[in-house]
Amino acid sequence: DIQMTQSPSSLSASVGDRVTITCQASQDISNYLNWYQQKPGKAPKLLIYDASNLETGVPSRFSGSGSGTDFTFTISSLQPEDIATYYCQQYDNLPETFGPGTKVDIK
Amino acid sequence: EVQLVESGGGLVQPGRSLRLSCAASGFTFDDYAMHWVRQAPGKGLEWVSGISWNSGSIGYADSVKGRFTISRDNAKNSLYLQMNSLRAEDTALYYCAKPREVVVIRGAFDIWGQGTMVTVSS
Repeated sequence: DIQMTQSPSSLSASVGDRVTITCQASQDISNYLNWYQQKPGKAPKLLIYDASNLETGVPSRFSGSGSGTDFTFTISSLQPEDIATYYCQQYDNLPETFGPGTKVDIK
Repeated sequence: EVQLVESGGGLVQPGRSLRLSCAASGFTFDDYAMHWVRQAPGKGLEWVSGISWNSGSIGYADSVKGRFTISRDNAKNSLYLQMNSLRAEDTALYYCAKPREVVVIRGAFDIWGQGTMVTVSS
């Protein structure tokens, strides 16, 4: 199975800050990488698919990049409503493994 | 409105069985593969199983292989997860999820249900 790691596991930032989360795959997954946002008590929400494509309706402050084994997720200007846990997910192979998540809160 | 509604969760003793259902609406169900993803309390997301649009391709996480069976009824726009020999570590919120692209079994999940809770305890 492909293992996914994320860093950091949590972070605290101020409103307006640029926030970056990294995700690493245990083997080359090309661009088969998605990012999800999950707020407490809610189902996950797809933000980015295929490493860098913004899902319809998602604010442009969210972005993703990378390919192969190393990926980056960025919030260009953190907003209060962005408080959530963020997960990467690879779909190069079944099982479609998720990263352990990064919890983002406001400083 | 595109919607997935899970049901069938509950409290069950270790070793017993449970069958989850997911009712789909608002999209052409038999155009899409479907998946189950679970989340143990306070933990991250774990992919459980996926099934292609025509049930011709199926996959399971190692943690459930041989105990869980995924199936679908396209005439009823429904997805199922038969869970046998349940263990305490199967305790989780179980989501059904739809890929954003037709036909392919793997991909990004753009629609999720609200989840149904399964608690395995004596």
